[in-house]
Amino acid sequence: GENVEQHPSTLSVQEGDSAVIKCTYSDSASNYFPWYKQELGKGPQLIIDIRSNVGEKKDQRIAVTLNKTAKHFSLHITETQPEDSAVYFCAARAYTGNQFYFGTGTSLTVIP
Amino acid sequence: SQTIHQWPATLVQPVGSPLSLECTVEGTSNPNLYWYRQAAGRGLQLLFYSVGIGQISSEVPQNLSASRPQDRQFILSSKKLLLSDSGFYLCAWARDRTTDTQYFGPGTRLTVL
Repeated sequence: GENVEQHPSTLSVQEGDSAVIKCTYSDSASNYFPWYKQELGKGPQLIIDIRSNVGEKKDQRIAVTLNKTAKHFSLHITETQPEDSAVYFCAARAYTGNQFYFGTGTSLTVIP
Repeated sequence: SQTIHQWPATLVQPVGSPLSLECTVEGTSNPNLYWYRQAAGRGLQLLFYSVGIGQISSEVPQNLSASRPQDRQFILSSKKLLLSDSGFYLCAWARDRTTDTQYFGPGTRLTVL
C-alpha cells in the first residue's frame, strides 16, 4: 500500500518568515494530494490540494508543489502569521479512490 | 453545501462501558465515510471506512466496530471500552472519485477512565 512520510515533525519560524513542509509518497498511482491544517481540539481543515496533472498551485500565501518523478510534494507558507500556528498534515489518495494515506503531521509554531 | 456532524463532542466513560459515536453527512449522497482515531499529539489512524450502506472495511483489529445503517450515517461502537480507546475520534467523508478531497467533522474527544 501507499506510504506517506512527512518532515519535519516540528517547525518554528519567526513571524514574516517562510515555512516549508515536505512529504514523500511511495505509490506512483496516487494522483491527489491534499494538505490539512488542524487547530487544537478541532478537525483537520483542507487548506490546499493538488492533482497529479499539475506541478504547482498557489492560493494567496500558501502554495503546493508536486514532483511526480521524485514522488514528493511540499507545502510553502510565505509571510507567516501567528494564526498559521497549527499542525499540518499531508495526504495522498490511493488510486482506488477509497483510502487516504496521511503523513505524521508537522507542528508549526510562528513566533511573534 | 455539504455539512458533517459528529456527536457527542466530548465523552467521559468508565472502562468496560459501551460506546456509540454518531456521524451524519448532509448535502451529498452515497459518500465514502471514514472513522479515524487521533491519540494526543499523534497522527491520524484510519479505523474503518465504508463505500455504501452495510459495507464496512476494518483497518485495525480492535474492540471497536462500525456500522452504516443509512446512506449518510456512520456509527462507531464498542461493547466494552479499554483505557487505550481514549482519543480524538474523527469522522470524514469523500466523494467516490479519485481526485476529490476528504472533509472532516469536528471530532469527539473520548476519555476512558
